[in-house]
Amino acid sequence: DTAVSQTPKYLVTQMGNDKSIKCEQNLGHDTMYWYKQDSKKFLKIMFSYNNKELIINETVPNRFSPKSPDKAHLNLHINSLELGDSAVYFCASSPGQGRNTIYFGEGSWLTVV
Amino acid sequence: GDSVTQMEGPVTLSEEAFLTINCTYTATGYPSLFWYVQYPGEGLQLLLKATKADDKGSNKGFEATYRKETTSFHLEKGSVQVSDSAVYFCALRGAYGGSQGNLIFGKGTKLSVKP
Repeated sequence: DTAVSQTPKYLVTQMGNDKSIKCEQNLGHDTMYWYKQDSKKFLKIMFSYNNKELIINETVPNRFSPKSPDKAHLNLHINSLELGDSAVYFCASSPGQGRNTIYFGEGSWLTVV
Repeated sequence: GDSVTQMEGPVTLSEEAFLTINCTYTATGYPSLFWYVQYPGEGLQLLLKATKADDKGSNKGFEATYRKETTSFHLEKGSVQVSDSAVYFCALRGAYGGSQGNLIFGKGTKLSVKP
């Protein structure tokens, strides 16, 4: 009964390809997120959705496009992958905005070769 | 804007040693404070949290106290084990407006515990 699940866990792909990472949460939360962890372990928000509506969109190349078909799902599609996109991508969710705890998935390790 | 500063690593300790990882923050209003842990090859797990001044969060022998006067949330454990080897992240989450409810992370501190 995984709370926040994301697939795939590992992804190795060539430059220029398009790939998607899927995320689902069964916690009944209204808000979902995508975070990126770089090679130095630094974590930074990419996107946040509340009830399927985009509320945070940090400075991310427009090759990255989040899609939220319903409030339990937030998928991340990446076009024309570049070497610098190699990172760990974490999906997360919380009961709402404000100061509530954010719960993370197990991460998707993306390697672009 | 809101920010979190935590001590640089790596930190190497012997088993049963005392651990302190310092964390200070800058935020508008009254944020919630968190420690997350990332074990090797795994995802982020919530370790403990505190939502208001003087609250103490605790879990698995780890503790941290929300100190508003020093804007700090230092992580401590009295006796570390090899299994505590991981990267520890301090984070804050403000109310609406400050950090838009976003979770702001420190840069992480890698802890290695030797037998």
